[in-house]
Amino acid sequence: AQRVTQPEKLLSVFKGAPVELKCNYSYSGSPELFWYVQYSRQRLQLLLRHISRESIKGFTADLNKGETSFHLKKPFAQEEDSAMYYCALRVGPNFGNEKLTFGTGTRLTIIP
Amino acid sequence: DTGVSQNPRHKITKRGQNVTFRCDPISEHNRLYWYRQTLGQGPEFLTYFQNEAQLEKSRLLSDRFSAERPKGSFSTLEIQRTEQGDSAMYLCASGKLGDTQYFGPGTRLTVL
Repeated sequence: AQRVTQPEKLLSVFKGAPVELKCNYSYSGSPELFWYVQYSRQRLQLLLRHISRESIKGFTADLNKGETSFHLKKPFAQEEDSAMYYCALRVGPNFGNEKLTFGTGTRLTIIP
Repeated sequence: DTGVSQNPRHKITKRGQNVTFRCDPISEHNRLYWYRQTLGQGPEFLTYFQNEAQLEKSRLLSDRFSAERPKGSFSTLEIQRTEQGDSAMYLCASGKLGDTQYFGPGTRLTVL
């Protein structure tokens, strides 16, 4: 069965410093990877998906199949980045498996 | 607001009572998903529908849980004979095949 690991429950970073939120996964095939974000009092929303290769709000994430990782990075943290971040995996709709498997999340706090 | 909506937002019930939650997806989405999130954990998949057909159910979905999507639009999740361990946030999401899942605000259930 697939699994997503986010080793840091809490991460504090000074404003303007680089941010890296770690995500590792276990799955023998080629999964789809996502980052979801939940700001205070808001619903869970998509931040990134690896197949789109976009940069959203300055965040990027590269899928490293060798290390089975999908770390989220931003070069300069902003106060509005403070939120809960979840990494998620989907086996792929082509296999008829639509469910997302989430990690336990990392709470990012940006220190002014 | 054209996003996914869920009602009620909060539900407090006594152990042994039945509860029902409703999810209204984004109108053009034919796939609807239910997840459960407990404190300190990421969302965990419960079940999903394509139109009115329930295509997959998690082992988390005991026989006290039942979900329906009778006309392929809104969905209901019923929990019978609630237990304290059912206390959680119940999340609904909708989407299209292979696309992003869009989440609702959730229903927070507290079982006393």
